[in-house]
Amino acid sequence: GAVVSQHPSRVICKSGTSVKIECRSLDFQATTMFWYRQFPKQSLMLMATSNEGSKATYEQGVEKDKFLINHASLTLSTLTVTSAHPEDSSFYICSARGGVSYNSPLHFGNGTRLTVT
Amino acid sequence: GQQLNQSPQSMFIQEGEDVSMNCTSSSIFNTWLWYKQEPGEGPVLLIALYKAGELTSNGRLTAQFGITRKDSFLNISASIPSDVGIYFCAGQAAGTASKLTFGTGTRLQVTL
Repeated sequence: GAVVSQHPSRVICKSGTSVKIECRSLDFQATTMFWYRQFPKQSLMLMATSNEGSKATYEQGVEKDKFLINHASLTLSTLTVTSAHPEDSSFYICSARGGVSYNSPLHFGNGTRLTVT
Repeated sequence: GQQLNQSPQSMFIQEGEDVSMNCTSSSIFNTWLWYKQEPGEGPVLLIALYKAGELTSNGRLTAQFGITRKDSFLNISASIPSDVGIYFCAGQAAGTASKLTFGTGTRLQVTL
């Protein structure tokens, strides 16, 4: 089945620094990837849609200058949390469609636990 | 962002019991998906539903796409300890380029 790999799985950084999270589709090409954020005991909330070769589309309320997304190839999207603050601490999860069909279900990476101190 | 209403919020059941959970929406979806998430991991796809009225099984799991296209149900039969986790429904509306709206989750605990 489709596999989505996310790295790192955990990261601790100091307030004010930037952190980059990678999302790779291992056995398929993904023109579109999605970035979600999940706070403890809550559901997944879509942050942005990452499009290969073009600008990402951000959901309402998500700062595009703070959460930089780059989708430079068909198998890699990156999310950079710039000037991180403690309130950015969360579980970040990427996903990609596991097939060419519009109806192909989304498969998720294992997530990145970000802790900002 | 929008969330789907999922119930129950949590369940404590004994091993061997059957489990039912459901998800409702105020708007129509073309696709319903059910995921399971374990602590510290990403959601894992369990069942995908593409057609109103569709009933699909995956082992002990059975899910249905509601006729109104505004709800979906997941049943787990003869639960076992490894069924523990959080179950999320997710809906995809037409013309949303695979964007999923997630349910609020059902936390399942199984006791021996």
